Amino acid sequence: AQSVTQLGSHVSVSEGALVLLRCNYSSSVPPYLFWYVQYPNQGLQLLLKYTTGATLVKGINGFEAEFKKSETSFHLTKPSAHMSDAAEYFCAVSPSGSARQLTFGSGTQLTVLP
Amino acid sequence: GAVVSQHPSRVICKSGTSVKIECRSLDFQATTMFWYRQFPKQSLMLMATSNEGSKATYEQGVEKDKFLINHASLTLSTLTVTSAHPEDSSFYICSARDLSAAGEKLFFGSGTQLSVL
Repeated sequence: AQSVTQLGSHVSVSEGALVLLRCNYSSSVPPYLFWYVQYPNQGLQLLLKYTTGATLVKGINGFEAEFKKSETSFHLTKPSAHMSDAAEYFCAVSPSGSARQLTFGSGTQLTVLP
Repeated sequence: GAVVSQHPSRVICKSGTSVKIECRSLDFQATTMFWYRQFPKQSLMLMATSNEGSKATYEQGVEKDKFLINHASLTLSTLTVTSAHPEDSSFYICSARDLSAAGEKLFFGSGTQLSVL
């Protein structure tokens, strides 16, 4: 079985500041890891995913995440926050990449302050 | 990009009535769709896998007679909450799987907030 823990249900940053959203996972097999973003009144959109290979994954809108096996973490970062980044972010894990086995974290609401 | 339309976005109903939620893939065919339920401040929980032309696969603890799923075409899956009760009030989300040469991708609907009075 796998699980995902997102530390901090709410994160606030100033515009232009670093964004760091934390995600830790547990998985009995090498995981596939995902970050999704949900803007108000829209469906979840894939930001980035890790399957195999390079541990630093770049996604859309300037976001990136690093897979750290020793820390069982997949934290999401962006060097400079923009007002348009305000949204809910979900980390997810799948042991095989299968959509049916996708387990989501509880989400982190990102607020960007002017 | 691919779009999944979920309707309605919000519904209020009386206890004992049934509510149907639709999930449509607008520009791709989806043999598989998924239905999730989300409680406030909690993660999305997979309820069932909807398979076009066959019976849905329900996750443990989900009542198949309470949550009826129909996937009669390659672009439409419906979730019917039968004889709804206040404890069924929740946020329901669907997703559709797009299988292409580039691999498996999931596209999500924008969700339906169900309130049962």
